[in-house]
Amino acid sequence: GESVGLHLPTLSVQEGDNSIINCAYSNSASDYFIWYKQESGKGPQFIIDIRSNMDKRQGQRVTVLLNKTVKHLSLQIAATQPGDSAVYFCAETYSNFNKFYFGSGTKLNVKP
Amino acid sequence: DSGVTQTPKHLITATGQRVTLRCSPRSGDLSVYWYQQSLDQGLQFLIQYYNGEERAKGNILERFSAQQFPDLHSELNLSSLELGDSALYFCASSLSGGTTDTQYFGPGTRLTVL
Repeated sequence: GESVGLHLPTLSVQEGDNSIINCAYSNSASDYFIWYKQESGKGPQFIIDIRSNMDKRQGQRVTVLLNKTVKHLSLQIAATQPGDSAVYFCAETYSNFNKFYFGSGTKLNVKP
Repeated sequence: DSGVTQTPKHLITATGQRVTLRCSPRSGDLSVYWYQQSLDQGLQFLIQYYNGEERAKGNILERFSAQQFPDLHSELNLSSLELGDSALYFCASSLSGGTTDTQYFGPGTRLTVL
């Protein structure tokens, strides 16, 4: 597959461990955030979103935490599996703006 | 498979040329988005259309233009190509184009400008 980015920070975890991927966002006015997963050779795929009136949101095996004070977003993946290996991006926007700004991404490498 | 299709998958052309990238949204989606993904700049929003009309504009160069046709497919036209235009170009679609609509991305078109 194609490389999304050759100079991305990489997080290596053992299969079955929990993963935490972090993202710092830039605009204090942003009130809507999304995490995307991008596998090699594919387009980004929506994982989970969160609005700024929430601190935490849970999905299936994933949890997003939002800390507005320090403009920080994290994605927690429970019981990481080899299929979770991908690049993960956060994206931010604010209501009715329709323009998303994407972080540079983190490459997650799951070791069997 | 997201249901969004993009053609061609790969495109190799020379500087100064013009190319057209095509996108078909998921069935039922009215809004289309275009993104550019390069190694040095990451994923950048270019432009959004909703039901044929431009809705939002991002970092799209004047050499680039897009449109959405009555059948809802979209085309991104890139002209006077430069080496720096080499990138992955993604199309995404969503149901109604709202900020919190889930966007479904296509597999992308890899453009190489030589």
